[in-house]
Amino acid sequence: AQKITQTQPGMFVQEKEAVTLDCTYDTSDQSYGLFWYKQPSSGEMIFLIYQGSYDEQNATEGRYSLNFQKARKSANLVISASQLGDSAMYFCAMSTISNFGNEKLTFGTGTRLTIIP
Amino acid sequence: DAMVIQNPRYQVTQFGKPVTLSCSQTLNHNVMYWYQQKSSQAPKLLFHYYDKDFNNEADTPDNFQSRRPNTSFCFLDIRSPGLGDAAMYLCATSRDRTRAETQYFGPGTRLLVL
Repeated sequence: AQKITQTQPGMFVQEKEAVTLDCTYDTSDQSYGLFWYKQPSSGEMIFLIYQGSYDEQNATEGRYSLNFQKARKSANLVISASQLGDSAMYFCAMSTISNFGNEKLTFGTGTRLTIIP
Repeated sequence: DAMVIQNPRYQVTQFGKPVTLSCSQTLNHNVMYWYQQKSSQAPKLLFHYYDKDFNNEADTPDNFQSRRPNTSFCFLDIRSPGLGDAAMYLCATSRDRTRAETQYFGPGTRLLVL
């Protein structure tokens, strides 16, 4: 079974500092995708970044980068130069194919990030 | 801008009174998903449509049904809402059903059951 673990229920970070949100995963599949989503208090899930299991380079999208360590099965999100608008819930998710051939997104429990002015 | 739209953003219903939530998309994506997210929890997949092919999750209660009359629209029907069905309901779409496809979410509908 696929599982995503986010061990930090909440984090407080000073504005303009970098922050790392932890994510570890467990799967027996060789091919999978890893995603990070941001969910502000308004509720919308906003896609941030994607990393494929066969991608050799770490994914980057603006201030977001994904520190992918395949052997350790970790996919940590790094936000550089944090801003007040980064305060939100962050979910790590993994995409695999179920036994029925359906693509399934498995989410972690999330980390609530609060940026302090 | 292409997007996923959910209406209404807030829905109040009475215990046992059927309710329908709607989702539309301008992305022309093949796959549409419905998730349930309860407070402080991760989203939980209820079911998805791959084109017209309906795929139910094994643990989705029979109380939840879905319709997809065309590519753009998908509806979530809750036949007899209970207090435990109060949650945020998120619709998402993806171009295809492979591991590399990103799911794009709508703003969600918060359902309150009185």
